[in-house]
Amino acid sequence: LQLQESGPGLVKPSEALSLNCTVSGGSLNSYTYHWGWIRQSPGKGLEWIGSVYNDGSPYYSSSLKSRVTISVDASQNQISLRLRSVTAADTAIYYCARETGNIAPSGDFCYYMDVWGKGTTVIVSS
Amino acid sequence: DIQMTQSPSSLSASVGDRVTITCRASESINTYLNWYQQRPGTAPKLLISSASSLHSGVPSRFSGGGSGTGFTLTISSLQPEDFATYYCQQSYTSPRTFGQGTKLEIK
Repeated sequence: LQLQESGPGLVKPSEALSLNCTVSGGSLNSYTYHWGWIRQSPGKGLEWIGSVYNDGSPYYSSSLKSRVTISVDASQNQISLRLRSVTAADTAIYYCARETGNIAPSGDFCYYMDVWGKGTTVIVSS
Repeated sequence: DIQMTQSPSSLSASVGDRVTITCRASESINTYLNWYQQRPGTAPKLLISSASSLHSGVPSRFSGGGSGTGFTLTISSLQPEDFATYYCQQSYTSPRTFGQGTKLEIK
């Protein structure tokens, strides 16, 4: 399974950022997986943006949830990210990732991100 | 949101050293804790899930432990390819959250 992010590399302030993640070598039509987006600002750590769970429910970062929408199009094998009203602080590398899970030795069913795309750089600038 | 705090933020070590990185959660997350490695210019890679389960293909010199609010990632004998940044991440609840990262550098 491979994930490939795509979208404009340059977005103007106050506009919307739209990215796609294309899944190859597998299907989005699975009740096993969640599909999500993570970003990394220059020189900074990883920031979870949000995910669509296997039941179709979206979950978002508390700091971004007023501006973000993540959706899954199984017919196109794509996961989409839309981030509205961007500023320079949204400049980052954006990764998509598959989240899967299994039963841990502790008995918990633990989710983890096991497949990542290579990332796409988005710069917010006029 | 659950806050994840790693220590140290950076660490200098030599090839062959044993190193341990700590991750603390702001509330109990049982063993819903994952570790990732990120080399410069590349995407993160999963190392350990469920606090202590080594992901397929990850060398056995990596190990993880802990439960509740305190966790560790240990590399038993550092190899040149291990110099990277390491992140913990909780999957106990959404929103998922990452630690701020620990950069492991060559001494």
